[in-house]
Amino acid sequence: SQTIHQWPATLVQPVGSPLSLECTVEGTSNPNLYWYRQAAGRGLQLLFYSVGIGQISSEVPQNLSASRPQDRQFILSSKKLLLSDSGFYLCAWSVLVGTYEQYFGPGTRLTVT
Amino acid sequence: GENVEQHPSTLSVQEGDSAVIKCTYSDSASNYFPWYKQELGKRPQLIIDIRSNVGEKKDQRIAVTLNKTAKHFSLHITETQPEDSAVYFCAASINDKIIFGKGTRLHILP
Repeated sequence: SQTIHQWPATLVQPVGSPLSLECTVEGTSNPNLYWYRQAAGRGLQLLFYSVGIGQISSEVPQNLSASRPQDRQFILSSKKLLLSDSGFYLCAWSVLVGTYEQYFGPGTRLTVT
Repeated sequence: GENVEQHPSTLSVQEGDSAVIKCTYSDSASNYFPWYKQELGKRPQLIIDIRSNVGEKKDQRIAVTLNKTAKHFSLHITETQPEDSAVYFCAASINDKIIFGKGTRLHILP
């Protein structure tokens, strides 16, 4: 069966510091991968998605970036965090062809101080 | 542009009564409509979905209906229980991604 991992689970970082969040999927090949952000008490904002290695689509212009160095690895990065980057970051995956069901990872709760 | 509207933002129902959450979407090419339930501090969990080739789907106390002409779809929860309290998100497919509504916070009152 498929499993999705995210780490770290929680993170407290000062403004201006860099960020690296990692997501990996097991048990499937060539998944679609997604990064979402959820501010406290708010909805799910799609940040990036990827349909293959090295292919990244950005939904919201901001100080974040994403990379997909391997088939089942998706990384979210920032060179300098802003206070507004605080939130719950969720990675999700879906099968590339024939179905759109998305399954979420456990999330990373980021607090920028 | 791509948009999914969800109403209401908050819903309180007496335990045992029914709850209905409604969504509309803008892209007529959308063909997949999932619903997610998110408990406090947890990840969203897929609870039911419907595709554009059917008008209704039911799974125990949960049902979804889809009106493609009107671009409306709804979630119905019958015989609500305390564990149904959560935030519910509707979504619609757009090419390789899914666009989510802003969520409905459902409170089940004792």
